Amino acid sequence: EVQLVESGGGLVQPGGSLRLSCEASGFSFSSYEMNWVRQAPGKGLEWVSYSSRSGTTTYYADSVKGRFTISRDNAKNSLYLQMSSLRAEDTAVYYCATLDGGIAVDYWGQGTRVTVSS
Amino acid sequence: DVVMTQSPLSLPVTLGQPASISCRSSQSLVYSDGNTYLNWFQQRPGQSPRRLIYKVFNRDSGVPDRFSGSGSGTDFTLKISRVEAEDVGVYYCMQGTHWPPYSFGQGTKLEIK
Repeated sequence: EVQLVESGGGLVQPGGSLRLSCEASGFSFSSYEMNWVRQAPGKGLEWVSYSSRSGTTTYYADSVKGRFTISRDNAKNSLYLQMSSLRAEDTAVYYCATLDGGIAVDYWGQGTRVTVSS
Repeated sequence: DVVMTQSPLSLPVTLGQPASISCRSSQSLVYSDGNTYLNWFQQRPGQSPRRLIYKVFNRDSGVPDRFSGSGSGTDFTLKISRVEAEDVGVYYCMQGTHWPPYSFGQGTKLEIK
């Protein structure tokens, strides 16, 4: 069974940091490009960041560039999102997902909630 | 960046009746390889998004055949031939042609009348 399990969310003060993790199982994680997508409360979906299969190529939404860092450890079947200088507007459920529209499979995790508030 | 615009944003539908959601992009989604990377996602209440359609009209595994995608260039449509209770949720289109960034539509909330 394919699973993506996010963890690491929680309550953090503005300006603080948090590291999200996404552990994959049931598929060949190293063969897939991976992304983080977030959803603010009551809002739509927003793409946050991308990692190539090896992790050497990464991209970020302008809203998080310079503050968030995506990485992966294929030996551990895991994707990460290091978030720093957090703002209230970063409050959201963060999903890891494959998002590759060119292939016949697409995987999403259950999400982890991040709340930035004092 | 490509802007994706969905309509309507709210869609009340009677059970068993058809439903249609439109998605328009601010520029053509035809990629240099000839493919059009337009996806449709469904997000049921309290659940993670799930992809229904990729590359305009290809249904993902397990997606009922009452869901169909069509369109080209900048205009795309998701159709549900006969709405069932389990179809309640929010539907998003997403383009994967001109990225980064990937861009989603605002979402269309489908509810039962």
